[in-house]
Amino acid sequence: DTAVSQTPKYLVTQMGNDKSIKCEQNLGHDTMYWYKQDSKKFLKIMFSYNNKELIINETVPNRFSPKSPDKAHLNLHINSLELGDSAVYFCASSPGPRVRTYNEQFFGPGTRLTVL
Amino acid sequence: GENVGLHLPTLSVQEGDNSIINCAYSNSASDYFIWYKQESGKGPQFIIDIRSNMDKRQGQRVTVLLNKTVKHLSLQIAATQPGDSAVYFCAENIPPYKYIFGTGTRLKVLA
Repeated sequence: DTAVSQTPKYLVTQMGNDKSIKCEQNLGHDTMYWYKQDSKKFLKIMFSYNNKELIINETVPNRFSPKSPDKAHLNLHINSLELGDSAVYFCASSPGPRVRTYNEQFFGPGTRLTVL
Repeated sequence: GENVGLHLPTLSVQEGDNSIINCAYSNSASDYFIWYKQESGKGPQFIIDIRSNMDKRQGQRVTVLLNKTVKHLSLQIAATQPGDSAVYFCAENIPPYKYIFGTGTRLKVLA
């Protein structure tokens, strides 16, 4: 019964390729997020969606394009991959402000992206 | 053992001792604070939270202290166990959507 799931878990690809990472949550949450964790474990928010609408876009290159086909899914597509994109990408969800004011986030297991 | 969390420092404690992990947050508008535990190869997991109108909250073996005057948060783990070994992150929330994570502290429990 995985609450927040991501696929794939590992992704190894060449520079210049285009790749996608998928995320699904079965918690009924309204809000979903993408985070990037670098090699020093620093976690930085990239995007936030609430009910399929983009809420936060944190100065991420436009090679990164999130897509939310419905409230339970938030996918991340990356064009023209660069070496610096190598990191672990985490999807997360939270109930959202419609449900309550204070929301902890539930994280997926992460996708380790390696760009060669 | 006690440590200040910058640049992923490591805190080593003996099994059975208490651990204190510190975090400085940045934004006066932050209204809600969360501690997460991240084990190797996994995503961060919620441990305990505290709202800005409180200065202390206790869970099972964990206590969070909040000092808004100096924008400081700490996580105390009582009777640290080997299973507590992980990286610990504090996160500040400016409701409803903005979350800022601290740099994390690696906790190593020595047998």
